[in-house]
Amino acid sequence: GAVVSQHPSRVICKSGTSVKIECRSLDFQATTMFWYRQFPKKSLMLMATSNEGSKATYEQGVEKDKFLINHASLTLSTLTVTSAHPEDSSFYICSATSQGRWASPLHFGNGTRLTVT
Amino acid sequence: SQKIEQNSEALNIQEGKTATLTCNYTNYSPAYLQWYRQDPGRGPVFLLLIRENEKEKRKERLKVTFDTTLKQSLFHITASQPADSATYLCALDISNNNDMRFGAGTRLTVKP
Repeated sequence: GAVVSQHPSRVICKSGTSVKIECRSLDFQATTMFWYRQFPKKSLMLMATSNEGSKATYEQGVEKDKFLINHASLTLSTLTVTSAHPEDSSFYICSATSQGRWASPLHFGNGTRLTVT
Repeated sequence: SQKIEQNSEALNIQEGKTATLTCNYTNYSPAYLQWYRQDPGRGPVFLLLIRENEKEKRKERLKVTFDTTLKQSLFHITASQPADSATYLCALDISNNNDMRFGAGTRLTVKP
């Protein structure tokens, strides 16, 4: 149980285009989803916290107009990288927690490798 | 400043030995701490959670300790196997609201 599916696993796009990444909880309801960025040999950097039906909360230094997050249902959150540039190339990972469960584990997707050419 | 430090970027051990990984934190008072395993190109996978009132937690060959005075958690893998080779991340809830922040991880290599 507690499976999170992230799609696509890899994407290559041209500079200036936008890319959408989907994160789905397959067998549980995720009231909260988190989006991270990870650089090689570095830890997960939290970008934003997404609650179903409300606006995402972005971490300091993360541009909300560049990284658009939508959490329209209890099982789906999307991250759209708008007007992508080569410096946006990275590994993006989502995670989700179950409703009302404090101290519950985070369930992660398998990440999306974004390469902007 | 607030920090979560896993003070070994990499750890190499021989198969069968016990691996001990360290997670230290400053200026946090987490109610619980978690450990995750991450394989290359994959998302982290939850291993263990330990609460502030628990000194030790075990799961099969894994053991976690949590010392709130030292602000430190130790993660042990006994009878290590090459399949245990991965990066291990510690994570703290920094606001007691499931707001987890991660250390940089320790890359463990178990050699046959």
